[in-house]
Amino acid sequence: NAGVTQTPKFRILKIGQSMTLQCAQDMNHNYMYWYRQDPGMGLKLIYYSVGAGITDKGEVPNGYNVSRSTTEDFPLRLELAAPSQTSVYFCASSQLAGSTDTQYFGPGTRLTVL
Amino acid sequence: GENVEQHPSTLSVQEGDSAVIKCTYSDSASNYFPWYKQELGKGPQLIIDIRSNVGEKKDQRIAVTLNKTAKHFSLHITETQPEDSAVYFCAARFNYGQNFVFGPGTRLSVLP
Repeated sequence: NAGVTQTPKFRILKIGQSMTLQCAQDMNHNYMYWYRQDPGMGLKLIYYSVGAGITDKGEVPNGYNVSRSTTEDFPLRLELAAPSQTSVYFCASSQLAGSTDTQYFGPGTRLTVL
Repeated sequence: GENVEQHPSTLSVQEGDSAVIKCTYSDSASNYFPWYKQELGKGPQLIIDIRSNVGEKKDQRIAVTLNKTAKHFSLHITETQPEDSAVYFCAARFNYGQNFVFGPGTRLSVLP
């Protein structure tokens, strides 16, 4: 199994540009998440989804949008990129089943906005 | 809002010694507390977790303890090895949903 995959690995954007960070999982997990990690800091939840067609805001949703049309994919959209969005973005998935709800993380996308 | 504090921010130990990292959380309704290890350039990886109905859990050299009354939980690593060097994050799940809040991390260095 590939687990959680993210593309691209690195990206440089100019202020005001937009882009979509891709995330896919092949574990048939219902729950998916987007986090950002600023240098030397912990992860902050941007958005999460509990299933296809259902999304909800996390702690820092401003400037981002998400959609969940399938179980496998959970893209994160940045509109009008700003320097404050320079960060490493991690996607994760989990399956709440009995006593198991481990989050599995992707390798991350390093985004720089200049 | 919900908050998770983590101490210390950096920790250096000699190989073979023990390491302890402590976290406190703000919401008494939190029910799930995972610990993650993050190596340079990689995503976090779960190493151990504990639920609110359990006081302690152990997995080989790693253990986690939970004190619900004081709202804190700790990671204990015994017989540390150089490969234990990484950044460790604690987290708490708030509400019985999927809203996780992470601590700021502890950079552990195991010196040979």
